[in-house]
Amino acid sequence: EDQVTQSPEALRLQEGESSSLNCSYTVSGLRGLFWYRQDPGKGPEFLFTLYSAGEEKEKERLKATLTKKESFLHITAPKPEDSATYLCAVQANSNSGYALNFGKGTSLLVTP
Amino acid sequence: SQTIHQWPATLVQPVGSPLSLECTVEGTSNPNLYWYRQAAGRGLQLLFYSVGIGQISSEVPQNLSASRPQDRQFILSSKKLLLSDSGFYLCAWSLYRDRAHFGPGTRLTVT
Repeated sequence: EDQVTQSPEALRLQEGESSSLNCSYTVSGLRGLFWYRQDPGKGPEFLFTLYSAGEEKEKERLKATLTKKESFLHITAPKPEDSATYLCAVQANSNSGYALNFGKGTSLLVTP
Repeated sequence: SQTIHQWPATLVQPVGSPLSLECTVEGTSNPNLYWYRQAAGRGLQLLFYSVGIGQISSEVPQNLSASRPQDRQFILSSKKLLLSDSGFYLCAWSLYRDRAHFGPGTRLTVT
């Protein structure tokens, strides 16, 4: 069975304090790994898609990387507006209809 | 550009009452459509997906059902709600293996 595990469950950072969020996965053939940001009471907002080990994507203060077993979301010099829940999801060969299998997320709080 | 609409935004329903949540997509054709539920501490759980009109696949046995009467319309229903049906319901669309685009969600509270 495909599994996606995110750690830590919650993370509190001071503004400017860089850190990384982890997403480890077990799937029977990875089509793609997705990162989303979710603000309270809203739908998830797409950040990145990674397709193969070694791939990296960047957007402003965020950088996503992928290995054969896990993905990291690196946050450099975070600002309070980066506070949100970050969701990782995998699209596996076993997922019919190209559905995504999500982890439980990491809740990030950045304080001034 | 593509947009996705969900309504209502919030809903409070008593146990045993029926449910109908609607989702519509604009600006794309023949999308894959999905219903997810997000409950506290459980992450996003896939409930149903559809790859075409009238084609519905269920991922989790439950008292909910889904229908796709038109290409860009997806409806989630229940004949009798349970307390355990409370949660945040999200509709999403995608084209093939591309990223999923999520709607604003419906907060359902069953009392």
